[in-house]
Amino acid sequence: QQQVKQSPQSLIVQKGGISIINCAYENTAFDYFPWYQQFPGKGPALLIAIRPDVSEKKEGRFTISFNKSAKQFSLHIMDSQPGDSATYFCAARTLYSGAGSYQLTFGKGTKLSVIP
Amino acid sequence: DTEVTQTPKHLVMGMTNKKSLKCEQHMGHRAMYWYKQKAKKPPELMFVYSYEKLSINESVPSRFSPECPNSSLLNLHLHALQPEDSALYLCASSQDRARREQFFGPGTRLTVL
Repeated sequence: QQQVKQSPQSLIVQKGGISIINCAYENTAFDYFPWYQQFPGKGPALLIAIRPDVSEKKEGRFTISFNKSAKQFSLHIMDSQPGDSATYFCAARTLYSGAGSYQLTFGKGTKLSVIP
Repeated sequence: DTEVTQTPKHLVMGMTNKKSLKCEQHMGHRAMYWYKQKAKKPPELMFVYSYEKLSINESVPSRFSPECPNSSLLNLHLHALQPEDSALYLCASSQDRARREQFFGPGTRLTVL
C-alpha cells in the first residue's frame, strides 16, 4: 500500500531524445508527488513536483504527467542532454500515522544515461 | 540562502568510536529530517524533527541518536556503529511539516570499519 513502483530501472537515451520514467502507486492518501535528481556522491535535488489535482506540470525541459484514475505519474525529459545523466527518484508524500508529520515514500530509482 | 549544508563530507570510524554528523540550514525551515541511503537504493527516512521536537523515529537503532539544538541545526550522534551502517547520510529540511517541498543536503559519506 505504501509502495511507489518505478520503472525502468535503467534507461539509455540518445542526446536530443525524450526520456520517460514511470511511477505507479496504490495509496490514495498520497497528496504530493515530487521527482528528485541525484548525481553520484551528491544529495537528491528537487526537480519538479505535482499535486494530484493537476494533470500536467511543465518546467523547462521537464514535464510531469499525472493520471489520478490510473494512479500513475511519469517524468518526461525533452531534448535529453548528457548532463541529465543521473539517477531519478519519484516519490509520494503522505501523513505519517499518529505523528502529524509527513513522510516521502521513494521509488527505487532510474539510472538515466544520455549518450552523445 | 537556499541550501542545506552537512559536515563532514566524509567520515571513517571504527566500531568503538563516537562521532557526530552536523546539518545546518538558514532558510527558516522548521522541519528537518535524517535519511540513510545505501548504494543504488532510495533514501530511507530515519528521523523527523518538527519545531525542534522529534516527531518521527523510524525504529532506528539506539546507536543513532538525533539532536536538534535549535531551528537551524540538526545533529546525528553515532556510537558503536556496525559496518552495515556504512552509507550516505542525508539531511533534509522543509518549511514546516505541512509544506511539501523537502530540500536535501549533499550528505555525509560514512564508512564504518
